[in-house]
Amino acid sequence: EPEVTQTPSHQVTQMGQEVILRCVPISNHLYFYWYRQILGQKVEFLVSFYNNEISEKSEIFDDQFSVERPDGSNFTLKIRSTKLEDSAMYFCASGGDTSNQPQHFGDGTRLSIL
Amino acid sequence: AQSVTQLGSHVSVSEGALVLLRCNYSSSVPPYLFWYVQYPNQGLQLLLKYTSAATLVKGINGFEAEFKKSETSFHLTKPSAHMSDAAEYFCAVTLAGGYNKLIFGAGTRLAVHP
Repeated sequence: EPEVTQTPSHQVTQMGQEVILRCVPISNHLYFYWYRQILGQKVEFLVSFYNNEISEKSEIFDDQFSVERPDGSNFTLKIRSTKLEDSAMYFCASGGDTSNQPQHFGDGTRLSIL
Repeated sequence: AQSVTQLGSHVSVSEGALVLLRCNYSSSVPPYLFWYVQYPNQGLQLLLKYTSAATLVKGINGFEAEFKKSETSFHLTKPSAHMSDAAEYFCAVTLAGGYNKLIFGAGTRLAVHP
């Protein structure tokens, strides 16, 4: 069964540094998402992406965040200047173009900011 | 606005006992509802979905859930718990269309004792 893959599985970064989290969605999916889960908290929506542009973003997704689909297969989340509070598990998800196709999630990238 | 409430952050059952994980939702329009399971250090795996068809939905691993509009509930059940069911379970809601963001509940950690 096709799956969403995310790299790296764990990223450790100094505060203030830029990080890029990478995702390869399921190939025939059209909608792409990033969520995050701070340790012990609920999964929160960050951003959705369709047709090469952001379709919705949450309050969390401020100017420090950006997303890109650079080559038609990868989907990246960039955090420009990381803060301690960015430490979390980041999940990528992708979904098809019909209402009966649920979102499929990757295994996540654990981001640790020191 | 949509929201999800999962009653009970921790549920403990004996192996072979009934599993009941509660989920109540709030939505101003007919919702789509999902249950996802998260095993340690893994991503979110879809258990089952409700997308306005049959109100009793069967999923993987013997789980099922019933959509009850009058109670705004979507509780997850399994007749007989297995040790391998120990995980965190998340209920999520979205607007019809399947490509909208998921709003997650806080999760319920299920422990299964021999």
